[in-house]
Amino acid sequence: DADVTQTPRNRITKTGKRIMLECSQTKGHDRMYWYRQDPGLGLRLIYYSFDVKDINKGEISDGYSVSRQAQAKFSLSLESAIPNQTALYFCATSDSSGRDVIPDTQYFGPGTRLTVL
Amino acid sequence: SQKIEQNSEALNIQEGKTATLTCNYTNYSPAYLQWYRQDPGRGPVFLLLIRENEKEKRKERLKVTFDTTLKQSLFHITASQPADSATYLCALGRRAGNMLTFGGGTRLMVKP
Repeated sequence: DADVTQTPRNRITKTGKRIMLECSQTKGHDRMYWYRQDPGLGLRLIYYSFDVKDINKGEISDGYSVSRQAQAKFSLSLESAIPNQTALYFCATSDSSGRDVIPDTQYFGPGTRLTVL
Repeated sequence: SQKIEQNSEALNIQEGKTATLTCNYTNYSPAYLQWYRQDPGRGPVFLLLIRENEKEKRKERLKVTFDTTLKQSLFHITASQPADSATYLCALGRRAGNMLTFGGGTRLMVKP
């Protein structure tokens, strides 16, 4: 979905390096999420934010941190990357205002493929 | 612990047939259930939402059922086409907030 963009799209890094993945949205949504996807495990929630001053841990937050710089921007950091963080990472947004035609829907970015060697 | 199960094996069907995908859950009381489509290398795209007080929802060739007694949702694609080939994810939402828990997805292959 072009309304949710992620950078970079692909990244190869080495163990111990600090990595930041960025997400921007033009949908005007207040809620943003970071997921990781591994084969056969589906999407697992890392962190979520319901507004600029709200940050919450998800199911698998260890080894990750986030920053909600503005309503439209939500970044995910790996302070010291390790090989088992190799995965596909997705950012998503949703709207709690009631303006969305079908509430509770999440809109996903195109993903970032991260490889940690 | 909460568990959402989708058939991890790919479903192969012939064009024109109805595809039926299953989503089962345990230790969960969802307020609603969603189905998403995911193509290789792309993010999931929302298809349908069904709430706990609804038995069935339809959208064009898609139909979703939700049985809270059986703790199961069925996702049907009628008159399937090769373009329907993708991975389909179910996701359950809790009552408070907008938290989704996703199943592992089922890959559908529609052969011409």
